[in-house]
Amino acid sequence: DTGVSQNPRHKITKRGQNVTFRCDPISEHNRLYWYRQTLGQGPEFLTYFQNEAQLEKSRLLSDRFSAERPKGSFSTLEIQRTEQGDSAMYLCASSPKVVFNEQFFGPGTRLTVL
Amino acid sequence: DAKTTQPPSMDCAEGRAANLPCNHSTISGNEYVYWYRQIHSQGPQYIIHGLKNNETNEMASLIITEDRKSSTLILPHATLRDTAVYYCIVRVPQDTGTASKLTFGTGTRLQVTL
Repeated sequence: DTGVSQNPRHKITKRGQNVTFRCDPISEHNRLYWYRQTLGQGPEFLTYFQNEAQLEKSRLLSDRFSAERPKGSFSTLEIQRTEQGDSAMYLCASSPKVVFNEQFFGPGTRLTVL
Repeated sequence: DAKTTQPPSMDCAEGRAANLPCNHSTISGNEYVYWYRQIHSQGPQYIIHGLKNNETNEMASLIITEDRKSSTLILPHATLRDTAVYYCIVRVPQDTGTASKLTFGTGTRLQVTL
């Protein structure tokens, strides 16, 4: 399968713990996006990379959140000192650097903070 | 990005055409209409996009009114697998100096029934 993959698919953690999620985009895509989705809502944009450069961050991305894409390939999203409000589906998407091309989404990582 | 308005839910009988409306009265001249859908427990999936001409692909047809203030996504022969939340998004295409993140609303929940 050559789609976007995300790991883990599910994560349960206790409040105050740190968690890290991984996204592997489609190999030739140089753009990578992270979104967060809570129950009953559409996905909300968190941050965007073009190659290894993080070019935009949403106000939703508090200082407890950090994202990296060290070699312009896979990306990680870390949440420090998790809170119950962080419980959500975290979605990753990638797209090639071509006008109009759509974003391809992974299956997401569902985070539950107890 | 311009705001969109969609009905919260719709039903459609299997085999019939599903017509999903979207209002985007504040759309600007360089903004395109995109449609994505999200099947339960999966990431969003691109369907189609257009500027002002009607568009058709293997998944659906997109009809945009002449004034571009509204559009309709048509699934010509809906099946049970088309049950999903459908999102109408208005945005500038990428490579115009913005991150071209997707701004999702709450979408239309389409239920296809036997």
